[in-house]
Amino acid sequence: EVQLLESGGDLVQPGGSLRLSCAASGFTFSTYGMTWVRQAPGTGLEWVSGISAGGGTTYYADSAKGRFTISRDNSKNTLYLQMSSLRADDTAIYYCTSYVSRSLHYWGQGSLVTVSS
Amino acid sequence: DIQMTQSPSSVSASVGDRVIITCRASQGVSSWLAWYQQKPGKAPKLLIYAASSLQSGVPSRFSGSGTGTDFTLTISSLQPEDFATYYCQQGNSFPLTFGGGTKVEIK
Repeated sequence: EVQLLESGGDLVQPGGSLRLSCAASGFTFSTYGMTWVRQAPGTGLEWVSGISAGGGTTYYADSAKGRFTISRDNSKNTLYLQMSSLRADDTAIYYCTSYVSRSLHYWGQGSLVTVSS
Repeated sequence: DIQMTQSPSSVSASVGDRVIITCRASQGVSSWLAWYQQKPGKAPKLLIYAASSLQSGVPSRFSGSGTGTDFTLTISSLQPEDFATYYCQQGNSFPLTFGGGTKVEIK
């Protein structure tokens, strides 16, 4: 069974930093692209960042460029999102997803990030 | 960036009804279009990928069609468990973008 388990979400002050992790199991993690998608309270879905299977290529939404860094450790079957210079509008549930056939096949349960003083 | 526009934003329907949701892209996305279902407090779930391919385990009452800029998701006979919010997503180019969502409510 495919499982994606996010962790690291927390309450952080504006301007602060946070690292999200996503532990994958049940599939060959190293052969899949992965992404992060977020959902602010009561709103729709926003794609944040993506990374190729080997980690050599990364993509970012404009809202994440220069502040967020996606990475992966295929030896640990883990995806990361390092977030810095956090703002109130980064408050959201962050989902990690697999990326197959240009769509998001498996989703984690989400990790809540709250940016507030 | 490619903008995705869904309509309607909400629809009231009864069990057994046929429901059609449309998604329009601001530029052609070939067949790189996916549909997701999200229930309150839960993560989204993939229903359809590549415009018309049914994800494993998804009931056959869900179907997708379209190519280029215009796409539809059809629920042939609405079931109680189908009341949820549905999103389209284009995969033609980064950044990936989603439609604003369609909430399917009980009539």
